[in-house]
Amino acid sequence: KAGVTQTPRYLIKTRGQQVTLSCSPISGHRSVSWYQQTPGQGLQFLFEYFSETQRNKGNFPGRFSGRQFSNSRSEMNVSTLELGDSALYLCASSQEGRASPLHFGNGTRLTVT
Amino acid sequence: AQSVTQLDSHVSVSEGTPVLLRCNYSSSYSPSLFWYVQHPNKGLQLLLKYTSAATLVKGINGFEAEFKKSETSFHLTKPSAHMSDAAEYFCVVGDYGQNFVFGPGTRLSVLP
Repeated sequence: KAGVTQTPRYLIKTRGQQVTLSCSPISGHRSVSWYQQTPGQGLQFLFEYFSETQRNKGNFPGRFSGRQFSNSRSEMNVSTLELGDSALYLCASSQEGRASPLHFGNGTRLTVT
Repeated sequence: AQSVTQLDSHVSVSEGTPVLLRCNYSSSYSPSLFWYVQHPNKGLQLLLKYTSAATLVKGINGFEAEFKKSETSFHLTKPSAHMSDAAEYFCVVGDYGQNFVFGPGTRLSVLP
């Protein structure tokens, strides 16, 4: 079974621009979550989608948004990029059900200059 | 509310010696607990999970963890460290609603 695929692997953007990151979950997984990882803040939860609906949301500004398609693929968008948005963005998928673990992709490394 | 404490931010061991990475959790529910490993510029890989079955859980690459409810601990161990074990390790607690809380991570260094 193919794992979680994130594209692109690396991105360099300028302040004020916007960016879209893509995530393809493991086949059969309907839950997709996004995390931001930085050296200073560690892993922070952005949001979780299930069956095209946002089910949980972390404490991030409205510049961070996401969506999920009918095939469970997900995208996240960051508008008006700031230097502090530079991070590794990780996508994870899981099956429904208690104790179903998260399966992570290799992430997208975003650098904002 | 759930929380996870990883007691050491950095652990250094010699190759061939045992590894102990400590994790304590707080949860209102009967928790699900996980250990993940992250190598540089990679995603997190699941090492093992506890889901209220056996208290001693065996994972991949020779790692295991023991759930101790009385101590609210879920420490990760390996009898003999290998150079390839050098990475960041995360302890995670999950509840019924797919809400996961990650610990801050422990960086494991393995010396030759």
